[in-house]
Amino acid sequence: EVQLVESGGGLVQPGGSLRLSCVVSESTFSVYEMNWVRQAPGKGLEWVSFISTSGDTIHYADSVKGRFTISRDNTKKSLYLQMNNLRAEDTAVYYCTTDTPKKGFDIWGQGTMVTVSS
Amino acid sequence: QSVLTQPPSVSEAPRQRVTISCSGSSSNIGNNAVNWYQQLPGKAPKLLIYYDDLLPSGVSDRFSGSKSGTSASLAISGLQSEDEADYFCAAWDDRLIGYVFGTGTKVTVL
Repeated sequence: EVQLVESGGGLVQPGGSLRLSCVVSESTFSVYEMNWVRQAPGKGLEWVSFISTSGDTIHYADSVKGRFTISRDNTKKSLYLQMNNLRAEDTAVYYCTTDTPKKGFDIWGQGTMVTVSS
Repeated sequence: QSVLTQPPSVSEAPRQRVTISCSGSSSNIGNNAVNWYQQLPGKAPKLLIYYDDLLPSGVSDRFSGSKSGTSASLAISGLQSEDEADYFCAAWDDRLIGYVFGTGTKVTVL
C-alpha cells in the first residue's frame, strides 16, 4: 500500500518561507502525478498545485501563483512545496496527494500544519 | 474560493438515504470527471467515488455517484453512524486550469 508522509510545517512570520516535503513509500513514485491540497482551520479543501510525473507540467492556484513552487525528485521519491512570502491566509494543513488518471486525488498523506502568524 | 456548490449540511436517521448535490459549470463538471471525498473528523480526506460513479476498492456499495450536465450527486443509502463526516466533490476546471473543490457537506446521522 502506497503511503505519503509530509513534513516541514511549522510556525512562520508573515513574509517568511517554508519548504514542505512529501516522501512516498513506493518505488514507483515516478509514475504518479502529484498535488498539494490545503485546508484552513475549520474550512474546506483548496487545491494548491499540480506536477506531472517528469515535472515538465506544473499548475498553481491563483492564490499561490508567484509565491509557491512545486517540485519533485523521483530518485528520492519526494515531492516538495517551496512557500515564499507567506501570508496569514496560507495558514492550513497541507496534504500531498497522488493523482491517478480518472481517479483524481486517490491517496493522501496525513498532512502537515503551516501557521503564518506574528 | 470554492467553485462547486454543495449544501452545507444534511441529516437523516440511521438506515435512511441521503443525497448530496454538487453544482458546477460547463468548464468543470460539465466537461470533466467528478470525484467525491470523505473526511472523517480529524482525518485526511479519502477517495470515495471517482470518474462520476465508480467505487474504489474497499469502499462500501452503500455509496453511489451520478452526474447530469453541470451537476453531480453523491448518495448514501442505509445510513450508519460511521458515515458522519464531511463530503467534498471535486473536478478539473478547464477555464481555471486547475482542480476545484465543492464547498463541502457535513452529514449528520440523527
